[in-house]
Amino acid sequence: AQTVTQSQPEMSVQEAETVTLSCTYDTSESDYYLFWYKQPPSRQMILVIRQEAYKQQNATENRFSVNFQKAAKSFSLKISDSQLGDAAMYFCAYLSGGSNYKLTFGKGTLLTVNP
Amino acid sequence: EAGVVQSPRYKIIEKKQPVAFWCNPISGHNTLYWYRQNLGQGPELLIRYENEEAVDDSQLPKDRFSAERLKGVDSTLKIQPAELGDSAVYLCASTGVSNEQFFGPGTRLTVL
Repeated sequence: AQTVTQSQPEMSVQEAETVTLSCTYDTSESDYYLFWYKQPPSRQMILVIRQEAYKQQNATENRFSVNFQKAAKSFSLKISDSQLGDAAMYFCAYLSGGSNYKLTFGKGTLLTVNP
Repeated sequence: EAGVVQSPRYKIIEKKQPVAFWCNPISGHNTLYWYRQNLGQGPELLIRYENEEAVDDSQLPKDRFSAERLKGVDSTLKIQPAELGDSAVYLCASTGVSNEQFFGPGTRLTVL
C-alpha cells in the first residue's frame, strides 16, 4: 500500500517570503500522480498543483511550484511571495496511475502567514 | 459551473441516533467518492462509485455505515447508529474525464 508522509505539522512564513513544504511517499508503482491540496478553515479542498510521475519537468502554477525527485520519492511544494490568503492546511496526496482512483493523503501541514 | 454540493454543513446528534449526509456531484461527473477526515488527519476514502455501482467500499464500516447512489447522480451516506468515534468531517468528491477530484465543503458531524 502507498503511504504519504508530511514531516512538518506546522510551518510559518512572513508575507512576501518563500516557504517550502515537504512530502515523501512510498510506492512500488511507476505510474502515478501527485497532488498538493489546500484546505482553508472553510474545509473546501482546493487543488493547488499536480505532477504526473512520467514527467521530468517540475509543475508550476503561478506562485506555486514543486520539486519532484522521483528516485528519492520526494515531492515538495514551494510557495513564493506568500500571501495572507495562503494560510491553510496543505495536504500532499498520491494517486495510482491504474484504474484505482483512490487518493492517499498525508496528515497535512498547517501553514501560517505572518503579516 | 456549480461545484460539489453537500448538506448539511453541520450536524450534531447524540450517540446511537441515525444521521444522513447528502452529496450532489458536479454535473456529468460519473465517479463519486465519500471520505472521512478525522481531526488533524488527511481524508480517508470510505467508498467510491462509478455511476450507480459501488466499485470500492473496502474501507466502509458496513455494520453501521451505508451509502447509495440510486440514479448515478446524487448520493447519500448514512450512519446508524452513530458512535462517539464517528465525529469527523465527511467529504464528498467527484471526477469527470480527468483524474482530478473536486471536493465539496464537507459535513462536520459531532456525536455527543
